[in-house]
Amino acid sequence: GAVVSQHPSWVICKSGTSVKIECRSLDFQATTMFWYRQFPKQSLMLMATSNEGSKATYEQGVEKDKFLINHASLTLSTLTVTSAHPEDSSFYICSASEMGRNQPQHFGDGTRLSIL
Amino acid sequence: AQSVAQPEDQVNVAEGNPLTVKCTYSVSGNPYLFWYVQYPNRGLQFLLKYITGDNLVKGSYGFEAEFNKSQTSFHLKKPSALVSDSALYFCAVRASSGNTPLVFGKGTRLSVIA
Repeated sequence: GAVVSQHPSWVICKSGTSVKIECRSLDFQATTMFWYRQFPKQSLMLMATSNEGSKATYEQGVEKDKFLINHASLTLSTLTVTSAHPEDSSFYICSASEMGRNQPQHFGDGTRLSIL
Repeated sequence: AQSVAQPEDQVNVAEGNPLTVKCTYSVSGNPYLFWYVQYPNRGLQFLLKYITGDNLVKGSYGFEAEFNKSQTSFHLKKPSALVSDSALYFCAVRASSGNTPLVFGKGTRLSVIA
């Protein structure tokens, strides 16, 4: 089945550091990938839609300059949390779906980001 | 705009008993409905989907869900629960067949007790 790989799985870093998270579709091509944020014991909040070869579409309230998204190929999207602060600590999850109608989204295993 | 409601934060069931995790939805037009499961510190795993056709959908690990248009519900069921089914379950909907993002419910934590 379709596999989405997300790396790294866990990051601990100092405040002010920029952190890059990679999301790869391993056995399929994805023109669109999605980035979610999940707070403890809460649902997934859509942050942005990543489109291959074009600018990402951000949800209301998500800072574009804070969360930089690049989707340079059909199998890779990256999320960079710039100048991270403790309030950016969270669980970030990416997803992608195979091309075609009615395909389910497949999720990466998530990245737990802890900013000290 | 579409939305999903999972009315129960927690469901407890004894091993071997049937389980139901409830989900209702609101969407304009035909709904595309999904169930996912999340284990601790992991992403979401796809269980099943309803697009069209039979109202009873069978999915992974013995789970099934019943689409009820009149009640706008899509409850997840399993005839006999396992301890390993204990996890967080999310219902999701999208309003089109295109590659648009899913809207998730808040999740229901299932605990299966031996």
